[in-house]
Amino acid sequence: DADVTQTPRNRITKTGKRIMLECSQTKGHDRMYWYRQDPGLGLRLIYYSFDVKDINKGEISDGYSVSRQAQAKFSLSLESAIPNQTALYFCATSERDGYEQYFGPGTRLTVT
Amino acid sequence: AQSVTQLGSHVSVSEGALVLLRCNYSSSVPPYLFWYVQYPNQGLQLLLKYTSAATLVKGINGFEAEFKKSETSFHLTKPSAHMSDAAEYFCAVNPGHGNQFYFGTGTSLTVIP
Repeated sequence: DADVTQTPRNRITKTGKRIMLECSQTKGHDRMYWYRQDPGLGLRLIYYSFDVKDINKGEISDGYSVSRQAQAKFSLSLESAIPNQTALYFCATSERDGYEQYFGPGTRLTVT
Repeated sequence: AQSVTQLGSHVSVSEGALVLLRCNYSSSVPPYLFWYVQYPNQGLQLLLKYTSAATLVKGINGFEAEFKKSETSFHLTKPSAHMSDAAEYFCAVNPGHGNQFYFGTGTSLTVIP
């Protein structure tokens, strides 16, 4: 079984809809991250969490919110989806400073 | 603020030729450095990492990278490209001290038969 899972893997939604992307991990890591990937822009950090009580905004948090329900679960919400939020979204985990991040398989989101 | 620069968004090499993907970072102290690879329709997987041990780091699939503090660089190399190396490559920096990761914009590698 994969260590970092994301659901759904693909989602098409309409402008104005609320949508939640979920991430679960079995690695026992405290740190979790949400990124979006756009062609030519690489990965941009949306939110990150260093433990259940710690939530931090990343580079592009506007239009997004997160919830850290447990050490193993970190959800990303789009309260009112817009077309320029169409992207590939990745969840990642890491153990501590200096340790690599482990990525989920990604969620491809299309907002029409 | 930290930054990571990957020179060349697209690199093409012939099969069997040297692969060189460039990465420069900005950091006031030597950070932790990483190279990730992303194959089509997949997530990112770690190729190699530098964590202040040896400056020449060997990774998976024959890749290696050298940390050069004076040049603030961490370029990725492979002596002989294989068709299966075609992918997107990302350089990343973690400054430590509770900081987040910073990724470059990626380099797409094409291997020509």
